[in-house]
Amino acid sequence: GQQVMQIPQYQHVQEGEDFTTYCNSSTTLSNIQWYKQRPGGHPVFLIQLVKSGEVKKQKRLTFQFGEAKKNSSLHITATQTTDVGTYFCAGPGGSYIPTFGRGTSLIVHP
Amino acid sequence: DTEVTQTPKHLVMGMTNKKSLKCEQHMGHRAMYWYKQKAKKPPELMFVYSYEKLSINESVPSRFSPECPNSSLLNLHLHALQPEDSALYLCASSRTIGTSGYEQYFGPGTRLTVT
Repeated sequence: GQQVMQIPQYQHVQEGEDFTTYCNSSTTLSNIQWYKQRPGGHPVFLIQLVKSGEVKKQKRLTFQFGEAKKNSSLHITATQTTDVGTYFCAGPGGSYIPTFGRGTSLIVHP
Repeated sequence: DTEVTQTPKHLVMGMTNKKSLKCEQHMGHRAMYWYKQKAKKPPELMFVYSYEKLSINESVPSRFSPECPNSSLLNLHLHALQPEDSALYLCASSRTIGTSGYEQYFGPGTRLTVT
């Protein structure tokens, strides 16, 4: 599979601050997916990006796929306590198989 | 119905026990997966079934034995496990999106403790 490196591993923010997690690959990715896992929960699919330079928004979440399709980011505007969890990016590991990054754990302080 | 269900939610078993984990989805997805997840780590792929046939085994020890009785069900049979096998076991299914995309749906997982 295509390995993806994800940073940071942890991020503490005050409620209302913005948050960004980054995913990078040494090779071109055909697609990248993002998942969220709440504490004690299971991963939930958020989005898949396929096109070079693609930007997609879901309410306060903005997802970007780099022009070279080697990096991606997830940005959350004005974090809320409900945003707490671990955000995983996943590159293509094979047909319909994601290869997960190590994840970024977001901690939001009220 | 857009969910994947798993039973049991929690399981404690001894190293000599035999137990099974069950997974079910009624979304018509033809790909189903077993993952193992340790605390603060990403899910680690174990097995993939495609159209009820095992298509990927990620060099998983034989003490884990998957089974796909039909297109809606996936089992993971456990025998002679080790304490280091304690983890969250996640089942997932996937559907295709457009021509090259897909979306995975995860079940809530079975938290397994091997004593």
